[in-house]
Amino acid sequence: DGGITQSPKYLFRKEGQNVTLSCEQNLNHDAMYWYRQDPGQGLRLIYYSQIVNDFQKGDIAEGYSVSREKKESFPLTVTSAQKNPTAFYLCASSIEARGRTEAFFGQGTRLTVV
Amino acid sequence: AQSVTQLGSHVSVSEGALVLLRCNYSSSVPPYLFWYVQYPNQGLQLLLKYTSAATLVKGINGFEAEFKKSETSFHLTKPSAHMSDAAEYFCAVSDYGGSQGNLIFGKGTKLSVKP
Repeated sequence: DGGITQSPKYLFRKEGQNVTLSCEQNLNHDAMYWYRQDPGQGLRLIYYSQIVNDFQKGDIAEGYSVSREKKESFPLTVTSAQKNPTAFYLCASSIEARGRTEAFFGQGTRLTVV
Repeated sequence: AQSVTQLGSHVSVSEGALVLLRCNYSSSVPPYLFWYVQYPNQGLQLLLKYTSAATLVKGINGFEAEFKKSETSFHLTKPSAHMSDAAEYFCAVSDYGGSQGNLIFGKGTKLSVKP
């Protein structure tokens, strides 16, 4: 079945450590996105990529980094510079960017800093 | 710039009652509009979308939404609520020429269904 796979589902990190969240899609979509979700704040865009080897910062990119070396993969690294990383992270993809098509979402990764 | 406002962060209805979740949008161009549902600790699932065809859009699980240009609204309705409808619902508008890459989401409305 086609879809988006995020792993792991739960992740614990010690303060000061970098951690990488995985996102893989087999939908052949060009565009991919990372969102952060906190209670009562909806979805906030961290980074998005419209094509391989290209990505743009979203509203809350500070303390995060991404890469897009393959069409299928868009990993997110939460660095030690992110002051409050505990959150639910959602990866999504769409056929193209610019809002003309719906986004498909993974099941999310819940990151907890301990 | 495009934006979405969802009126009411929490809505509570009784089982069998009408569900009405409100969404108003702002867009400088004809919008594409979407409703998503999220169950606890899961990703978002598309309920329905408006892409400038029929103004009344039917989605999954018995939900529908009506696009009203004059009111800049895209409210989500369901005639009879089920317990399984308890979830969080997000309205989204297409992001033409903006910085969001694709869709701009509202802050969500959490729906509770009482037995």
